[in-house]
Amino acid sequence: GQQLNQSPQSMFIQEGEDVSMNCTSSSIFNTWLWYKQDPGEGPVLLIALYKAGELTSNGRLTAQFGITRKDSFLNISASIPSDVGIYFCAGQLGEYGNKLVFGAGTILRVKS
Amino acid sequence: SAVISQKPSRDICQRGTSLTIQCQVDSQVTMMFWYRQQPGQSLTLIATANQGSEATYESGFVIDKFPISRPNLTFSTLTVSNMSPEDSSIYLCSVVWVTRYEQYFGPGTRLTVT
Repeated sequence: GQQLNQSPQSMFIQEGEDVSMNCTSSSIFNTWLWYKQDPGEGPVLLIALYKAGELTSNGRLTAQFGITRKDSFLNISASIPSDVGIYFCAGQLGEYGNKLVFGAGTILRVKS
Repeated sequence: SAVISQKPSRDICQRGTSLTIQCQVDSQVTMMFWYRQQPGQSLTLIATANQGSEATYESGFVIDKFPISRPNLTFSTLTVSNMSPEDSSIYLCSVVWVTRYEQYFGPGTRLTVT
C-alpha cells in the first residue's frame, strides 16, 4: 500500500526558531494535508493543498505541494511554546473526501 | 463552528468483551471514516462508513471484528468486538462536511483493554 515518509521524526528547538518538516512518497497524491495533534485530542487540520506547486500560508505556517505531487513540506516560523505537539502529513488519493494515508508524524518540542 | 463528538471519551474494558463507540456531528456530512491510532503511532484507516449500507473496510480489518453502522448523515458507530489487549488504541472518527473537501477529526476514544 501507499506509504508516506515523514521527517524528521522529532525536533527539539529553541523558542523563536523556524521549523521545517517534510513528507515524501513513491505515489502521487491529489491532495496533501497537514494536521497537528495535541496529547489526548484528535488531529486538527492546519493546511490543505490541492494543486501541484501550490504554496499556502496559515499565520506562521506555510506549506507547499511538491511539483511532482509526491512530496510536501511544512514550515513554522518563529516557533512558540504552544507549537508543541505531533505534526502529521496526509496524502489523499482520488477525489476530495477520499481516504487518507498518514505519515508517521514529527514530534515538536520547544524550549522557552 | 461545526462540532464532532465521540462517546465515550475513554474506557477500560475486559478482554473478550465488546465496546461500541459513537460519533455524532451537528450538521450533515458527505463521508465518515473510522481510524485507529495505536500507542505512539500514526493513524490507520479502519473503514469508510457508508450511509445505509455496509462499510468499506481496509486491508487487515474485518466486519466481524469492527462492525460499523451509519444510519443517517450525522451519526455512526464503531464496535470493537471480542477485545484483546492489542486493541488498546485511540479510535477516531473523521468527517467530510457537505461544504468542504477536507477530513476533520473527532476528539477520539481512548480504549484500554486489560
